[in-house]
Amino acid sequence: EDQVTQSPEALRLQEGESSSLNCSYTVSGLRGLFWYRQDPGKGPEFLFTLYSAGEEKEKERLKATLTKKESFLHITAPKPEDSATYLCAVQRRTSGTYKYIFGTGTRLKVLA
Amino acid sequence: KAGVTQTPRYLIKTRGQQVTLSCSPISGHRSVSWYQQTPGQGLQFLFEYFSETQRNKGNFPGRFSGRQFSNSRSEMNVSTLELGDSALYLCASSLDKDPGPSTDTQYFGPGTRLTVL
Repeated sequence: EDQVTQSPEALRLQEGESSSLNCSYTVSGLRGLFWYRQDPGKGPEFLFTLYSAGEEKEKERLKATLTKKESFLHITAPKPEDSATYLCAVQRRTSGTYKYIFGTGTRLKVLA
Repeated sequence: KAGVTQTPRYLIKTRGQQVTLSCSPISGHRSVSWYQQTPGQGLQFLFEYFSETQRNKGNFPGRFSGRQFSNSRSEMNVSTLELGDSALYLCASSLDKDPGPSTDTQYFGPGTRLTVL
């Protein structure tokens, strides 16, 4: 069965304290892995797409990496404005169609 | 370029009523997907429309339905509302250049917060 698991569920960091969020998946026929940021009461905001193992993408303090079984979102020297829920989603192909499976997210709180 | 818009942003209904939510995708985007987000379940896929046809469907009861118009705008309808339907309903659009499955990124709207009393 397709499954996407994110850990930890919640994370509290001091400003400047780097850390990583994990997204592990068991999906056959992976086509892409997506990271989103979601602020309370808002829709998810696209961050990155990764397509193949070994691929890395960076944006400001965020860096996403992908292996065959998991993805990491590294946050370097976070600031309070990085506080949000981070979601990962995998897109898998099936015969003639595809679907996205989302994890339940990691709630990140960065303290000043 | 304007993002995905959803109307209304908030809705309060009572059990047994029905509701229609609207989504306007990013200009040029042809695929529209709908998701239900609740604190316990996360984002659950409802259905996806492309060129006015439902291309994919999640595991929701038949009370949940949708449609897409020729201008790619989409609506979803929930009939006979239940308390458990209270959620944030999110619409996402993607460019989907290919006629078949695509890895194009989904861009989300702000959502419609539905409360069922």
